[in-house]
Amino acid sequence: QSVLTQPPSVSAAPGQKVTISCSGSSSNIGNNYVSWYQQLPRTAPKLLIYDNNKRPSGIPDRFSGSKSGTSATLGITGLQTGDEADYYCGTWDISLSAYVFGTGTNVTVL
Amino acid sequence: QVQLQESGPGLVNPSETLSLTCAVSAGSINNYYWTWIRQPPGKGLEWIGCIYYSGSTIYNPSLKSRVTISVDTSQNQFSLKLSSVTAADTAVYYCARLSHPNNSGWFFDYWGQGALVTVSS
Repeated sequence: QSVLTQPPSVSAAPGQKVTISCSGSSSNIGNNYVSWYQQLPRTAPKLLIYDNNKRPSGIPDRFSGSKSGTSATLGITGLQTGDEADYYCGTWDISLSAYVFGTGTNVTVL
Repeated sequence: QVQLQESGPGLVNPSETLSLTCAVSAGSINNYYWTWIRQPPGKGLEWIGCIYYSGSTIYNPSLKSRVTISVDTSQNQFSLKLSSVTAADTAVYYCARLSHPNNSGWFFDYWGQGALVTVSS
C-alpha cells in the first residue's frame, strides 16, 4: 500500500488537458521535492519532471508539475495518443526512510 | 547518453538468492548514486535501495534484511542480491541512476530496460 495516492485513471480527447494528482503527507510531499515518471506500455519508466516543476532536456513543455502543501500535480496539455501511459509520482519519505512511488495513474486518450 | 543494462537469471527457485548486475556504459559510475527498483506484473513501482560509487548504501527498510547492493567501479557496474525469495518477489527489476544535486530532491534520470525475474520451482 503506497503512501502516495493517485487516481487510477484519467482520460480526455486529443488536444485536451489532463491533470494527475498525487496526495501525500508532511512526511513525504510536504517536506521533499517530487518527481514524475512516464511508463509507456512494456517499457521502462522515463523521468518527466523533477524538483516539483523542472523538466529534463527533451521533455516538451506540454508536461508541467506543481506542488502545494502535501499534494503534487502533473499536467499534460495538447494531449496526444503517444501520451497514453502510466504515470507515477515519487519522493523521499522521512518517516519510512525510503523513496516512495505513487499508486500510478493510467492516461487514456479517447 | 548514459546507458544501463540489467543481466542475470530470469528464473530463481523459492528460498534461493536472486542476483542481478547492471552494466553502466557511455558514462562513469563515479560520483553518482545507483539504484534498484522493481515492478511486480501489473503493479506499481517499488524502490529497493541504492549505492554510492564509494560503496555506501541505503536500503528500503521493508527489504533491508534480504538485500545487498554492491558496486564494482573497475567494471563500471553494480549488483543486487535478494535472498530467501518467494513468489512475491517475481517482478521486473530495473536499475537506474539516482541524481541528487545540491539543494535538490532525488530523481531517477536514466533507467535500464528492465529484467523480468520469476520465482518458481
